[in-house]
Amino acid sequence: AQSVAQPEDQVNVAEGNPLTVKCTYSVSGNPYLFWYVQYPNRGLQFLLKYITGDNLVKGSYGFEAEFNKSQTSFHLKKPSALVSDSALYFCAVRSGSNYKLTFGKGTLLTVNP
Amino acid sequence: DVKVTQSSRYLVKRTGEKVFLECVQDMDHENMFWYRQDPGLGLRLIYFSYDVKMKEKGDIPEGYSVSREKKERFSLILESASTNQTSMYLCASRKDRAVSTDTQYFGPGTRLTVL
Repeated sequence: AQSVAQPEDQVNVAEGNPLTVKCTYSVSGNPYLFWYVQYPNRGLQFLLKYITGDNLVKGSYGFEAEFNKSQTSFHLKKPSALVSDSALYFCAVRSGSNYKLTFGKGTLLTVNP
Repeated sequence: DVKVTQSSRYLVKRTGEKVFLECVQDMDHENMFWYRQDPGLGLRLIYFSYDVKMKEKGDIPEGYSVSREKKERFSLILESASTNQTSMYLCASRKDRAVSTDTQYFGPGTRLTVL
């Protein structure tokens, strides 16, 4: 079985401050990890993914995520938050043999001006 | 860019009605998905199709069926709608099962209300 935990339902940060959205996972075998974002009244969009290689993955809109195997985590980060980053963020995991993605429950990020 | 479209943005149906939700993708993708999104529960997979006429149950298939007669189109069917099926339904597609190409493209969603 595979699972994802996003321990924070909501994260609030001030514009210009760094942001972190947390994600931990559980999977058999090598993990393949993803972040998706849902802006208000819009569909989900792919942000970034970790397949193999460098533990720091860079994605769209200045976001990055760090894969930490020992802590089974894949936290999403951005050095300087924008108000337009306010959205619902989903972490997801799959293994190589499991073609299905398992999503977390989502974290609502609010960036205050 | 991949485009995934869903037949309706909003739908209101009555308990017991048969409901069809349709999804079309324009990038010749092999795999298509139906999810439902509920507050506090995230996205849950209802059904998955890995090719034409091929389907597999997801995590919450009860009360739903699917049809994929053409590669570009994936339909979700609620045989007899119930109030606990009130939800946001999201369709997605991706090229194939390979991890290296695993990027899912989502439609805008259909918000279904069952009265």
